[in-house]
Amino acid sequence: QSALTQPRSVSGSPGQSVTISCTGTSSDVGYYNFVSWYQQHPGKAPKLLIYDVNKRPSGVPDRFSGSKSGNTASLTISGLQAEDEADYYCCSYAGNYTLIFGGGTKQTVL
Amino acid sequence: QVQLQESGPGLVKPSQTLSLTCTVSGGSINSGGYYWSWIRQHPGKGLEWIGSIYYSGRTYYNPSLKSRVTISVDTSTEQFSLNLTSVTAADTAVYYCARRGPGARGGIDYWGQGTLVTVSS
Repeated sequence: QSALTQPRSVSGSPGQSVTISCTGTSSDVGYYNFVSWYQQHPGKAPKLLIYDVNKRPSGVPDRFSGSKSGNTASLTISGLQAEDEADYYCCSYAGNYTLIFGGGTKQTVL
Repeated sequence: QVQLQESGPGLVKPSQTLSLTCTVSGGSINSGGYYWSWIRQHPGKGLEWIGSIYYSGRTYYNPSLKSRVTISVDTSTEQFSLNLTSVTAADTAVYYCARRGPGARGGIDYWGQGTLVTVSS
């Protein structure tokens, strides 16, 4: 199992939209519709933002949305806010009850 | 509101066994449907899934760590535990316990605060 591939960093100005990609293989992201996304602020535990590719848990703003095409999943943050500056991680089910994470993306609000 | 809390030594010597316990409150491990998991994060790095356990005791491990990992559960005390043998400096990380589900393919919706374990003599 190799980690899913994410860009190391992305940035955007307040109010803009940013998209973070997460590329896997036909054995994980491409095969299963079980991709989740997590937000992590410094020194804190990760927080679930998106599960099952595009579902939001209760309490997560609809500014956060997920999608998938082929072996690549994406997280889009619309209407960027200062508090969205954080690290973001994707995760995919990879069969046999295993999970695989992406390397993480640092999202900066300019 | 489900809460998870890791406990255990913050310093382990090389070649020894790292042992951590996670105590669950506000929910029952026995309720079924969820997979109780360990995830780690090396300093300044990304997340790595270590393994998961179902309340029945059935376990699932990261293939890259499988030979050194044991996860167990004690439903009577609402705790599950991680043992990682033959540790090296490469096992220095923040270790999180977490709840995954519902189902094995679900998102990880509750996390402990994390505990830093340093491997050093």
